[in-house]
Order: sequence, then C-alpha cells, then structure tokens
Amino acid sequence: GAVVSQHPSWVICKSGTSVKIECRSLDFQATTMFWYRQFPKQSLMLMATSNEGSKATYEQGVEKDKFLINHASLTLSTLTVTSAHPEDSSFYICSAIQALAGFYEQYFGPGTRLTVT
Amino acid sequence: RKEVEQDPGPFNVPEGATVAFNCTYSNSASQSFFWYRQDCRKEPKLLMSVYSSGNEDGRFTAQLNRASQYISLLIRDSKLSDSATYLCVVLFVSGGYNKLIFGAGTRLAVHP
Repeated sequence: GAVVSQHPSWVICKSGTSVKIECRSLDFQATTMFWYRQFPKQSLMLMATSNEGSKATYEQGVEKDKFLINHASLTLSTLTVTSAHPEDSSFYICSAIQALAGFYEQYFGPGTRLTVT
Repeated sequence: RKEVEQDPGPFNVPEGATVAFNCTYSNSASQSFFWYRQDCRKEPKLLMSVYSSGNEDGRFTAQLNRASQYISLLIRDSKLSDSATYLCVVLFVSGGYNKLIFGAGTRLAVHP
C-alpha cells in the first residue's frame, strides 16, 4: 500500500523555539494532507487541512500563526510549531489522501512525538 | 453534540467473545465511513471501510444505517491481538475539501 513518512519521529525542544515536522507521501501524489494532534488517552483532533499550492484550512481553535503549514509540492507538507510551549507537547500525525478511481484512501504517517521542555 | 460519538468503553472481554461497538454521527451529508484501529502510541491504521450494504472481513463485520446515522463494528471470536482502541471515522466534504472526523475511540481489552 501507499506509504507516508514523517520526520522527525520524535523531537525534544526548549520552550520558545520552533520545530518543523515534515510529512511526505512516498509513492503517490497527495493534493490533500491533514495534520492531527493527539494528547495522551485522547482521540485524534484535526488541526488543519493542507492543500497543495494554497493556504491551509485551520480548524476552529487552532492558531494559524502558531502552527504554520506549507504544502509546497504534491508529496510534501510541513508543519512548523512556532515558539513552542510545554502545552504543545503532543503526538502530531499527518495523513495523505490518495484518490483512486472515485474513492479515497487515507494513509497516516507514523507520527512525531514532540516534547517541549 | 460531538460530530462523531462512540461507546465510552473500555470493553474488557475474554478471548473468544463477540463484542460490538456503536457509533453515531451528526452530519447527514457525511459520505464515507471507516473503522480504524489504533495501538498505544502508534498511528491509526484502517481496519475497514463501511459500505451501505454492510460488509464483512473475516471476524469483523461493519454495518451502516444512514437513516439513523449509525455505524457498528462487530468482532467475533476475539483474540488477544484485537486489544486496541477502535476509532469510528466519518468523511464529509466541507468547503470543497475532504474532512475526516474521528470519534473519541473505544478501548478494547481482550484477556485470556
């Protein structure tokens, strides 16, 4: 099946610094990618929808100036957590949509665990 | 009201048991429906799509009732390896883009 990678798989950073997370679709082109966040023992929460060549669409309550999303190509979307704080520590997961003959398959990346100290 | 609601769980069942998970969704324009499985500290993995006519994959059976906006997942002959969190997921189009909405998940623990 299709593969989505994320980099890094885990990162520890100091409060106030920025962290960039990459999401790549390895063997297909994805016009749409999604970014999710998951806190311990909670479900995935959609943060934003990333569309190639256009601005991301953010969910209510997600600060677009804090979580910068760039979808510069059909295989790469990046999420930058700016001025990270300990409350931003979470599991960030991306997914990519592959359109197949009239229906959609969604593939998740393995996730990036962010710890802000 | 949450857009996708699931049984609260957790479900603790012995091996071999049959267990059913329920899910309701609020957006009648929802187009596609899925069950995902998520193991601890891992990303979700697609278990099965849910079709209007209902579908079965081995020990797993999924049902959809559009009129009641209700989805179910039945697991027969539970195995220890079935222990995980099961996520009900609904896809709909919003503003021209696809959106996936996840339920909070139902945790299943299968014991010997």
